[in-house]
Amino acid sequence: AQSVTQLGSHVSVSEGALVLLRCNYSSSVPPYLFWYVQYPNQGLQLLLKYTSAATLVKGINGFEAEFKKSETSFHLTKPSAHMSDAAEYFCAVSPGFQKLVFGTGTRLLVSP
Amino acid sequence: DGGITQSPKYLFRKEGQNVTLSCEQNLNHDAMYWYRQDPGQGLRLIYYSQIVNDFQKGDIAEGYSVSREKKESFPLTVTSAQKNPTAFYLCASSIGTSQETQYFGPGTRLLVL
Repeated sequence: AQSVTQLGSHVSVSEGALVLLRCNYSSSVPPYLFWYVQYPNQGLQLLLKYTSAATLVKGINGFEAEFKKSETSFHLTKPSAHMSDAAEYFCAVSPGFQKLVFGTGTRLLVSP
Repeated sequence: DGGITQSPKYLFRKEGQNVTLSCEQNLNHDAMYWYRQDPGQGLRLIYYSQIVNDFQKGDIAEGYSVSREKKESFPLTVTSAQKNPTAFYLCASSIGTSQETQYFGPGTRLLVL
């Protein structure tokens, strides 16, 4: 079965620090991978999507993610955190002709 | 502007009552989904529909029902059989179900009186 593991239910950073949110997936076929962001009491918004065109994917709000097949990882990074980045982040995988499977989410806390 | 609307934003259910959550999209998407979100559990799929007049159970369909009579609409009914309905419910849509980006509505929070 295909699955997604997000390491760390909470990640805390200081404003201006590097943001690193971890996502590992399992898939028997080449997957499509997604990162979504959710602000409190709102729906999910797409940050970026990997479709096998390039291993480094740039998204909105300065986020990017790198697909590493050997590590089955798709970690999300941002060089410098902003207070407005505080939210919950979800990694999702769509392996082959399957619908999305979501991870359990990581809440990013940003302190001044 | 194209998008997904959900109503109401908050919904209160009494014991033994069925309630219906609305989801409408004007993106011309074929596929629609309902998810339930509980703290620390991520999103769990309740039902999904790939085309009008067709839908499939997701991982936690018990106590819920859906219909898909129109392409734009995918209402979810939380029945009295769902014993723990308090959660945040999210509706989404996509062009198809295979490797497609899902677009989400703003959600409905269901509370039990």
